Amino acid sequence: NAGVTQTPKFQVLKTGQSMTLQCAQDMNHNSMYWYRQDPGMGLRLIYYSASEGTTDKGEVPNGYNVSRLNKREFSLRLESAAPSQTSVYFCASSEDQLSSYEQYFGPGTRLTVT
Amino acid sequence: TQLLEQSPQFLSIQEGENLTVYCNSSSVFSSLQWYRQEPGEGPVLLVTVVTGGEVKKLKRLTFQFGDARKDSSLHITAAQPGDTGLYLCAGAWSGYALNFGKGTSLLVTP
Repeated sequence: NAGVTQTPKFQVLKTGQSMTLQCAQDMNHNSMYWYRQDPGMGLRLIYYSASEGTTDKGEVPNGYNVSRLNKREFSLRLESAAPSQTSVYFCASSEDQLSSYEQYFGPGTRLTVT
Repeated sequence: TQLLEQSPQFLSIQEGENLTVYCNSSSVFSSLQWYRQEPGEGPVLLVTVVTGGEVKKLKRLTFQFGDARKDSSLHITAAQPGDTGLYLCAGAWSGYALNFGKGTSLLVTP
């Protein structure tokens, strides 16, 4: 039982390049989330998927797109990377969208955009 | 987005000392969670509090939810080096989306 897995762990991009961050969970959770974590800023929600087939914007969605491929997988795409997107990206999942449910986090992807 | 203030931002103490970190908002939470994050890893849930005035204990950690559900505290008794990490509170106002505080970075030295 791996929990939440993310690939890649590290990535360096040049401005304007595109990439997709992959996330998968094996806990049969309904809801999945993408956050970014920047020094002094805490965790900020980019997009979330309350259930398979639905996605919604979070606090900082600009410059990102997501796909809920199936119940297990939730990907985050940067179409044209910018230096402001240098950050650590965390995927999380929870049994349900209700906030009282525990969110389980992956180990993160450290992205640098030069 | 509702603001959630954590204090202090940094805390460096010696093993055996006690400490308290705070999480405050001007709005009423529907629920609040505390997470701990170690370097290079994702946050891990410590506790969820829902009822005003609620107190929960997890070994040497005591969590309190304010009566008005606008604030919470985490108290650690006799801190150990293994308690080192980033402590994050996360509050919910709308029922599902969590808003995270900026965190308190704790360093416990032997």
